[in-house]
Amino acid sequence: SSELTQDPAVSVALGQTVRITCQGDSLRSYYASWYQQKPGQAPVLVMYGNNNRPSGIPARFSGSNSGNTASLTITGAQAEDEADYYCNFGDTSAHHWVFGGGTRLTVL
Amino acid sequence: QVQLVESGGGVVQPGRSLRLSCAVSGFTFRNYAMHWVRQAPGKGLEWVAVISYDGNKKYYADSVTGRLTISRDNSDNTLYLQMNGLRAEDTAVYYCARDSYDISTARGLDAFDIWGQGTMVAVSS
Repeated sequence: SSELTQDPAVSVALGQTVRITCQGDSLRSYYASWYQQKPGQAPVLVMYGNNNRPSGIPARFSGSNSGNTASLTITGAQAEDEADYYCNFGDTSAHHWVFGGGTRLTVL
Repeated sequence: QVQLVESGGGVVQPGRSLRLSCAVSGFTFRNYAMHWVRQAPGKGLEWVAVISYDGNKKYYADSVTGRLTISRDNSDNTLYLQMNGLRAEDTAVYYCARDSYDISTARGLDAFDIWGQGTMVAVSS
């Protein structure tokens, strides 16, 4: 299956750690990337190649991929991290890209 | 400054056509594949189509095959999405996004590294 499954919503207390997960069989074979989207804005790449941060993304964001589950972890969540987060992979052999359904992160 | 600017969205009746554009600046457009990604109101992201750096290869999501056509003009640094036979379910914000793989360096991030601000398409009678 090429589907990716995410929890629809997650909450975290300010300054605490939260992990957002993404499950799919294809993650055993392909790298996951993660995108942050705030209301009314375009998505922004926050993690690629499972665990690499683009320049400008704070170090509190980290990523991992184990088996069929990719994770995005925010250590010390800030109010500005409140957003929707989408995982993604690209099946370059089938020329098909897939997004997870998205997780809405609320910072309490 | 790297920038993708979409245009061409609007309100259109079912069955009609629309062409979206994505004007690119700040990087060597011809070195990168480009994608269209859409987002229906209140919904998640959906990959729509990709075109190779030279325009010779194009691939589509099953939901749009045969109705939407991706193209590019490397001399004008512009990406297009021709939308024919529009349906209510095509209503969405359409984003153009750069594939991070640069053919000149053979390096990439396996990700969409730059996005436009999006253009809204509403299909309604």
